[in-house]
Amino acid sequence: ETGVTQTPRHLVMGMTNKKSLKCEQHLGHNAMYWYKQSAKKPLELMFVYNFKEQTENNSVPSRFSPECPNSSHLFLHLHTLQPEDSALYLCASSQEPSGTYNEQFFGPGTRLTVL
Amino acid sequence: AQTVTQSQPEMSVQEAETVTLSCTYDTSENNYYLFWYKQPPSRQMILVIRQEAYKQQNATENRFSVNFQKAAKSFSLKISDSQLGDTAMYFCAFSIHSGTYKYIFGTGTRLKVLA
Repeated sequence: ETGVTQTPRHLVMGMTNKKSLKCEQHLGHNAMYWYKQSAKKPLELMFVYNFKEQTENNSVPSRFSPECPNSSHLFLHLHTLQPEDSALYLCASSQEPSGTYNEQFFGPGTRLTVL
Repeated sequence: AQTVTQSQPEMSVQEAETVTLSCTYDTSENNYYLFWYKQPPSRQMILVIRQEAYKQQNATENRFSVNFQKAAKSFSLKISDSQLGDTAMYFCAFSIHSGTYKYIFGTGTRLKVLA
C-alpha cells in the first residue's frame, strides 16, 4: 500500500448505528486530518492530529469522535448521525513542521450515507 | 475571517485551449502558502501547483501556471493546452501556521474539457 488509504470506501448507516472510518498513511508523516466534503461547500476541516495529539477540533458535533493511536493511523468513530452528515469524508496527511511546502496528501475518501 | 472564494462553480474548455480558474482569498496572516488541488471524478485529490506567499515569481508546473497577486489576494490557475485528463474539480486553498498548519479551501470549480 502506498500513500493514504481509507476504508471503507462506501458506507450506508442508519441514524442509530455505530460505525468507524479508518485512515492509514504510508508516507511517514506526523500530521493527519479529517475533512468533510459536501457538494457546493468548501472542504470543512474537522480534526487535526500532530504527533498523535489533537491540535484542532473545528467545532465538530460530539457524534463524531476521532482517535489517533499512532502517527500512521486515524479513525473517525460515528454514532447517532443525522442525514445531513451524509458526505464524502476525506483523510489527509502531511509532514509538519516542514518549514517549506506543507503539501497535504489525500486519501480516496469514504462516501457516507446516513438514512 | 479566513476564506477562499472560487466564483466559477463550473467551466468548460475545448481540448488544446487555455482556461483560467479564478480564486481570491482573505487572511490577515503575512506568511502562508497557496495551493491548487485537483480532484478527478471518483479519484483522489492531488496537488497541482503551490506558491509561497513571500515569493513574487509565479509558480509554473508544465502546463499549469498561476497568476499570484498578493496585494489583491488573488491566485488564479491557468491551464494551457487543456487535455481530457484535466477534467476534474479544482480546489484553491491556502495554509497558515497557528500551532499547526491549518488549511482553508474554496468550494471548487468543476472543469470539463471537451473533445
